[in-house]
Amino acid sequence: EVQLVESGGGLVQPGGSLRLSCSTSGFGFSSYAMHWVRQAAGKGLEYVSGISSDGGSTYYADSVKGRFTTSRANSKNTLYLQMSSLRPEDTAVYYCVKGSGTTWRYNWFDPWGQGTLVTVSS
Amino acid sequence: QSVLTQPPSASGTPGQRVTISCSGSSSNIGSNSVNWYQQLPGTAPKLLIYSNNQRPSGVPDRFSGSKSGTSASLAISGLQSEDEADYYCAAWDDNLNGPNRVFGGGTKLTVL
Repeated sequence: EVQLVESGGGLVQPGGSLRLSCSTSGFGFSSYAMHWVRQAAGKGLEYVSGISSDGGSTYYADSVKGRFTTSRANSKNTLYLQMSSLRPEDTAVYYCVKGSGTTWRYNWFDPWGQGTLVTVSS
Repeated sequence: QSVLTQPPSASGTPGQRVTISCSGSSSNIGSNSVNWYQQLPGTAPKLLIYSNNQRPSGVPDRFSGSKSGTSASLAISGLQSEDEADYYCAAWDDNLNGPNRVFGGGTKLTVL
């Protein structure tokens, strides 16, 4: 069974940093692109970032470009999201998602982790 | 404002057939496939339809997807109470900066 478990969320002050992790199991992690999608409370889904299976190609939404960095450790089956210069509007549940191919482009997303809540507030 | 447009709400009675629409443009639905996700209350989204009309294993055949031009639809037949959820369409949008993943704003389905 494919499992994605996010961790690292919490309360952080504006301008602060946080690193999310997504520990995976049940599939060949190094063969699939991975993604981060976020959802603010009561709102819809927003695509944040994607990374290719070998980590050589990444994508960031304009809203997080230059502030967030996605990386992966294929030897540890783990995905990361380093978030810096956090803003109140970054407050959301962050989902780790498995892509359907090796490149992050044109994937469908399945499955999704349970999500981790990031709250940016003073 | 979402790039893909969905009605904010839909409803039906048990056993009915309901459809949820998703409208886009030539740069997204018009040139790429559509996915649908179901989000039950308090849970993570789940893939319901991929490649416009394909169901992952385990998804009941009551759920079906279609696409025509720059619009797509999700149909749910034999509506059940457990279908009450938020439904999101998604597609890749091709622009000058490269492909970007876009979602609809979501449709809250109520089973009366």
